Amino acid sequence: NAGVMQNPRHLVRRRGQEARLRCSPMKGHSHVYWYRQLPEEGLKFMVYLQKENIIDESGMPKERFSAEFPKEGPSILRIQQVVRGDSAAYFCASSSLPDTQYFGPGTRLTVL
Amino acid sequence: AQRVTQPEKLLSVFKGAPVELKCNYSYSGSPELFWYVQYSRQRLQLLLRHISRESIKGFTADLNKGETSFHLKKPFAQEEDSAMYYCALKWSGGSEKLVFGKGTKLTVNP
Repeated sequence: NAGVMQNPRHLVRRRGQEARLRCSPMKGHSHVYWYRQLPEEGLKFMVYLQKENIIDESGMPKERFSAEFPKEGPSILRIQQVVRGDSAAYFCASSSLPDTQYFGPGTRLTVL
Repeated sequence: AQRVTQPEKLLSVFKGAPVELKCNYSYSGSPELFWYVQYSRQRLQLLLRHISRESIKGFTADLNKGETSFHLKKPFAQEEDSAMYYCALKWSGGSEKLVFGKGTKLTVNP
């Protein structure tokens, strides 16, 4: 089992561009979580998804951010019109049932 | 509000010395607490969870509801224990999200 995969590992965008972050959960896992880590901070929850459903998006900024976990394919975290404050490490975790969350290596987003 | 506090940003000990990484939480209800570890250039991984009451790599953590603490302890630190340690609380209001502390960077010196 390759574990949770995230790509790209590093992403550079200019202000105003779109960023798409992908997360492939572990085999057999149908629960996906996205977290954001700003410099010198802990991980902050953003959104919890199951296949084709958003269960909890209480940590998502109201504008520009969206997430999906389609029936087929990876989960996508999309940030439109990025700003410098979006620069952070974005981590994805997956689990089977509501259980231990296994984390991916993260995507480091830099906004110029 | 649910919150996890790790008061020490940095902790440095010598090899063979005891180590304790502090974690305090605020939560109304029965908490489920975890310690995650991130070694250099590796992904975040679960170290232990309080409901398992197990010892992993010599580390233990006891939930103290009276003091709302879940400190991580090891009697004899090893150099390979050097890493970032995060305490986390599972929120039980219908979601499975984790609330993390800011982390403690442990350095074990030879």
